Amino acid sequence: DAKTTQPTSMDCAEGRAANLPCNHSTISGNEYVYWYRQIHSQGPQYIIHGLKNNETNEMASLIITEDRKSSTLILPHATLRDTAVYYCIVRDSNYQLIWGAGTKLIIKP
Amino acid sequence: SAVISQKPSRDICQRGTSLTIQCQVDSQVTMMFWYRQQPGQSLTLIATANQGSEATYESGFVIDKFPISRPNLTFSTLTVSNLSPEDSSIYLCSGGQGAGNTIYFGEGSWLTVV
Repeated sequence: DAKTTQPTSMDCAEGRAANLPCNHSTISGNEYVYWYRQIHSQGPQYIIHGLKNNETNEMASLIITEDRKSSTLILPHATLRDTAVYYCIVRDSNYQLIWGAGTKLIIKP
Repeated sequence: SAVISQKPSRDICQRGTSLTIQCQVDSQVTMMFWYRQQPGQSLTLIATANQGSEATYESGFVIDKFPISRPNLTFSTLTVSNLSPEDSSIYLCSGGQGAGNTIYFGEGSWLTVV
């Protein structure tokens, strides 16, 4: 079973920061948090991942709480093309990605 | 990064037949996985493709129905056997390295069984 819980859906205005929360209260010390997104009819696109430190790349920032029980993905300046389903995943000890239901993010003009 | 190519991208098959999906990675990867995504649903892991040995299947998936090959570190195939309409799904291949590394996905193979 998935080790993460996310809101089913969220809206965000174009140009604003989109903050997507994720709870992973049962995460183990050596398990990473990964974020992917899936735009309709396409394969999942990797966004970012982290263990305990905050991470940033050209797409997004990942903020992980000190107790590692939750995290937030931040898209700094959302565009209409960021409308997608966003998945927060804990990679387990078998190195597998077990997917939950994700958050449907809708960017509104 | 790794680029993962899947073939076919889309197919329509008759029930009772089989379809083999190919997955090619442009670099050697330690791990390869096969997923199924049914319409409107999230991804479900079918199996881990192990190089040179039998795949490791998740609960609810069996080798007779979903035989998998992985002859080397860049290539794998998934066969969906004895097709029924319930097998109509997107099948996704992914690959990458161990803990802390990125896992990349192909664009998926859309299967419709008629």
